[in-house]
Formats: sequence, structure tokens, C-alpha cells
Amino acid sequence: DTGVSQDPRHKITKRGQNVTFRCDPISEHNRLYWYRQTLGQGPEFLTYFQNEAQLEKSRLLSDRFSAERPKGSFSTLEIQRTEQGDSAMYLCASSFASGANVLTFGAGSRLTVL
Amino acid sequence: QKEVEQDPGPLSVPEGAIVSLNCTYSNSAFQYFMWYRQYSRKGPELLMYTYSSGNKEDGRFTAQVDKSSKYISLFIRDSQPSDSATYLCQTSYDKVIFGPGTSLSVIP
Repeated sequence: DTGVSQDPRHKITKRGQNVTFRCDPISEHNRLYWYRQTLGQGPEFLTYFQNEAQLEKSRLLSDRFSAERPKGSFSTLEIQRTEQGDSAMYLCASSFASGANVLTFGAGSRLTVL
Repeated sequence: QKEVEQDPGPLSVPEGAIVSLNCTYSNSAFQYFMWYRQYSRKGPELLMYTYSSGNKEDGRFTAQVDKSSKYISLFIRDSQPSDSATYLCQTSYDKVIFGPGTSLSVIP
């Protein structure tokens, strides 16, 4: 297993465009998390899944943000009608929901909105 | 009250110094307490974790939990320039919430 993979690593887009990020978690893990991180800040929780069920989405930043995990494997995070304030690093992490629930993070997808 | 609070620093120390990083948390139900390290432009990675109260040591690193005061600490002995990173504490379980992170620079 190669760990948590995120794609693309860097996305540059114009304001108003839609963007989608993909996360492939560690195959044995049943939980998948999405975070946003801006410079100098800790990761900001957005949403998480256990298998295909989205268990928490109240912290998605607005209705422009949505996440899916259709088959309980990979996940996508979509941002519609991007704004300059959406520029950030979007991190994905996966875990096995037992004991300490240790998260393994991907390298992140950096979004730049012009 | 925020779930996790942490002094964001930045903290700058000379090589070889002892470093103390701290977090406070609000939910007394938390049982696991993690420290992650994040290098610039990388994702966070687990450094160590403890269960309930007490200390745990791993090489130059010691994690300490005081559940009575809802206070967790990470001590780094003989700090090295390679320890320069942002250190994040995590104290929740399902909806995993991080503190803001403390940025540490170890100066050679």
C-alpha cells in the first residue's frame, strides 16, 4: 500500500469555476476525512465518512462544498463557483475506526483561485 | 469554548534546548491524545499518542496528559534542527479536531 493519495497536487483555477479533488485512502481503512488548511493554521475539519456513510457534514464551509464516497473507497471533494477565499491546501486523511483512530494524511491538494 | 486550544507560537529555540509544547481541551470524555508533526508543504504525520492520563516516552519525545486539568504536553529533549516543524495536538475521536498548531524553529 502506498499510503493516502491525493490528486491533483496543485490546481489553479479562475474564480467561478468548479474544482474536484480526489482522495484514495489506505485500503484497509474505513474512515476518510477532509480538512482545509491555510497558511499558519491547523487543519480545519470539513467532513468525514465511515465506509460510504457521511457522518458529519455540518462543518462544510458552505453549500458550495460537497463530498462523496460512493463505494466506500475513494472520495471526492467538490467546490462549486470557487472564490478567492477558497485558496488553501485541502488535506485528506484515512483511519481505521478502532482504538486511537490514528489518521494517515495524504500530501494534500493545493488550490489557487485567481 | 473551542475543543482544542494551543499557542500557535512561533517558538524559536537553540539546538539542544528542551522544548515544551502544550494544548488544552474541553471535552473530559476524550481518552486518546495525539501529537502530529507537520513539515512545510507536507501532510501531518503521527508523532505519538497516549491513552488516558500519564506519560509516554519515545526517544527524545515525551507526551504527558493531565486529565484533571485537561492539559496535554509534548516535551522534546536535545532539540535538533530537523525538529523544526508545526506540532499539532488532537484530542477527539470521531470528528477529529486539531488545535491550530505550534510552529517550532530549532536554530543550529
